Amino acid sequence: GENVEQHPSTLSVQEGDSAVIKCTYSDSASNYFPWYKQELGKRPQLIIDIRSNVGEKKDQRIAVTLNKTAKHFSLHITETQPEDSAVYFCAASIEGNTPLVFGKGTRLSVIA
Amino acid sequence: DGGITQSPKYLFRKEGQNVTLSCEQNLNHDAMYWYRQDPGQGLRLIYYSQIVNDFQKGDIAEGYSVSREKKESFPLTVTSAQKNPTAFYLCASSISGGWGAFFGQGTRLTVV
Repeated sequence: GENVEQHPSTLSVQEGDSAVIKCTYSDSASNYFPWYKQELGKRPQLIIDIRSNVGEKKDQRIAVTLNKTAKHFSLHITETQPEDSAVYFCAASIEGNTPLVFGKGTRLSVIA
Repeated sequence: DGGITQSPKYLFRKEGQNVTLSCEQNLNHDAMYWYRQDPGQGLRLIYYSQIVNDFQKGDIAEGYSVSREKKESFPLTVTSAQKNPTAFYLCASSISGGWGAFFGQGTRLTVV
């Protein structure tokens, strides 16, 4: 089955700097890669996703890149703000088929 | 906060008891999931269902049971066979299997 590895487990950045979180997956058939943000005590919320037919997707300060050959994908947050502090999860699946398999999460702290 | 609702928010169980966690969605989603969240472990799949009256085991199904008698509902029973049930349980749904999932607000189960 699919296995998703996520790094780093914790990340601290200064406000205004960029943050990058990286994930690798094992199943070359996976074609859907969402990212979730979970604030303390709350539910995970989908913030951006990418499908295997594109290499990059942007939404304001957030971007995701995908390298199918290397089987890795990354989340990039620019101009970080204190409200970006949360745990971020990557996930992978075969769209329309298998359930999402999640990485273990990255705790991002943005220091003002 | 509408769409997918879990209850109760907090649940206390005595050792040896079975307890049932409720999950209801009004999104008309076909697929529903149960994930368990422990610190540093990410989200691990317990059970999932892609259609009414059918469900499959996830990675950590031992000690749990589910039913899917209605499209809207996917209750999870934590049985006395689950040796370490204290955790945060998240229910999710998606249009179909493998698509972006929407999460409920979670149930925090504590064994006393």
